[in-house]
Amino acid sequence: DTAVSQTPKYLVTQMGNDKSIKCEQNLGHDTMYWYKQDSKKFLKIMFSYNNKELIINETVPNRFSPKSPDKAHLNLHINSLELGDSAVYFCASSQDFRREETQYFGPGTRLLVL
Amino acid sequence: AQSVTQLGSHVSVSEGALVLLRCNYSSSVPPYLFWYVQYPNQGLQLLLKYTSAATLVKGINGFEAEFKKSETSFHLTKPSAHMSDAAEYFCAVSASGTYKYIFGTGTRLKVLA
Repeated sequence: DTAVSQTPKYLVTQMGNDKSIKCEQNLGHDTMYWYKQDSKKFLKIMFSYNNKELIINETVPNRFSPKSPDKAHLNLHINSLELGDSAVYFCASSQDFRREETQYFGPGTRLLVL
Repeated sequence: AQSVTQLGSHVSVSEGALVLLRCNYSSSVPPYLFWYVQYPNQGLQLLLKYTSAATLVKGINGFEAEFKKSETSFHLTKPSAHMSDAAEYFCAVSASGTYKYIFGTGTRLKVLA
């Protein structure tokens, strides 16, 4: 039973297209995150939601829009895709947003923009 | 501001040898520190974390780390490397007041037969 799942696993698309990545967690956690991992493996937080409310919004182009329909789901929609958006996107969740909480990561979505 | 520095982007050890992966942190408040492992084409998995209890923290797969405040370090060790330990390892600090992890740049561990 997968704790944090993401779909799709791979996404290959053309520049200028719009795409969405879905994330679901079955851990009963309140807090969810989106991270971007670049080609050098550097991981950076993009967004975080706690109980469907946005609590972290890093300096990310506004072409990226997260949506949390309920606390078990956090989706990421990307408009007008650019070459530089090619990366691995990870979803994660934690019990709540306290500093000491462990974050549980999904398997990642590998996005390639051509 | 909080930050994490991982010394050595690539580390190679022989099977059975000691594994030592270095992590130094900078934090204006008592830090919470984490080590995660990422196997090829997978997500990150928690190895261990320090949350101000014992300074020597034991994790999964035989790994442990020691929090040393005087050295601002949280190095990861394993007495005897196994081929299955080959992966990318990330140190992270939990930032005060911002609810987020700040990750180091990662260390790729290679285990030689």
